[in-house]
Amino acid sequence: GQQVMQIPQYQHVQEGEDFTTYCNSSTTLSNIQWYKQRPGGHPVFLIQLVKSGEVKKQKRLTFQFGEAKKNSSLHITATQTTDVGTYFCAAAQGGSEKLVFGKGMKLTVNP
Amino acid sequence: DGGITQSPKYLFRKEGQNVTLSCEQNLNHDAMYWYRQDPGQGLRLIYYSQIVNDFQKGDIAEGYSVSREKKESFPLTVTSAQKNPTAFYLCASSIRDYAEAFFGQGTRLTVV
Repeated sequence: GQQVMQIPQYQHVQEGEDFTTYCNSSTTLSNIQWYKQRPGGHPVFLIQLVKSGEVKKQKRLTFQFGEAKKNSSLHITATQTTDVGTYFCAAAQGGSEKLVFGKGMKLTVNP
Repeated sequence: DGGITQSPKYLFRKEGQNVTLSCEQNLNHDAMYWYRQDPGQGLRLIYYSQIVNDFQKGDIAEGYSVSREKKESFPLTVTSAQKNPTAFYLCASSIRDYAEAFFGQGTRLTVV
C-alpha cells in the first residue's frame, strides 16, 4: 500500500536556527496534510496542500508540495521552544478515505 | 462545543480480557478512523469507516474489531487475540474525502 516516508526521524536544533523536514511518496498524491503533536498530546491539523508546486505559509512555517506531487517539505524559520513536538505528514490513498501517516519527525529545541 | 471525545483516558486490562475504547463525535463527520501509536512508529491505521454500517481494515487490524452503528460513534474493541495491546490509541474523524482529520485526546491502554 501507499506509504509516506519522513526524513529525518529526529531533529535537534538550537533555538533560532532554521531547518527543513521532508515527506516523500513513491506514488503521486492527490493532496498532503501536515499535523503537529505536542508531547503528551494528540495530533493537530496544520495545513493541507493540493496543487502541484503549492506553497503555503503560517507565520514561521512554510509548507511546499512538490511539482510532481510526490513529496512535500516543511521549513521552520527561527525555531522556538514552542515548536517542540512531532510533525507528521499524511496522505489519503487514491480512491479511498484511508488516511495514512508517516512515522513523524520529532523536533527538540535547545534554548 | 463540537468535537471528538475518547474515553477513558487511561485503561488497564488484564491479559486475556477484551476491552472496548469509546469514540464519539458531534461534528457530523462521515469518516472515522482508529490509529495506534507506539514510540518511533508514528500513527498506524487500525480501522476506518466512511459511512454507517460500513468499515474497512487498515494496516494492523488483526486482534481488533469495530462497529459503526451510528454516525457519531465508532468504538474499538481490543481482543485477547491482540498480542501486544499496550499502546496509545487515537480516534479521528473527517467530514469528507481528503479533508483534515480531527483527533480525540487518546486512550492509553496498558496490559497488566
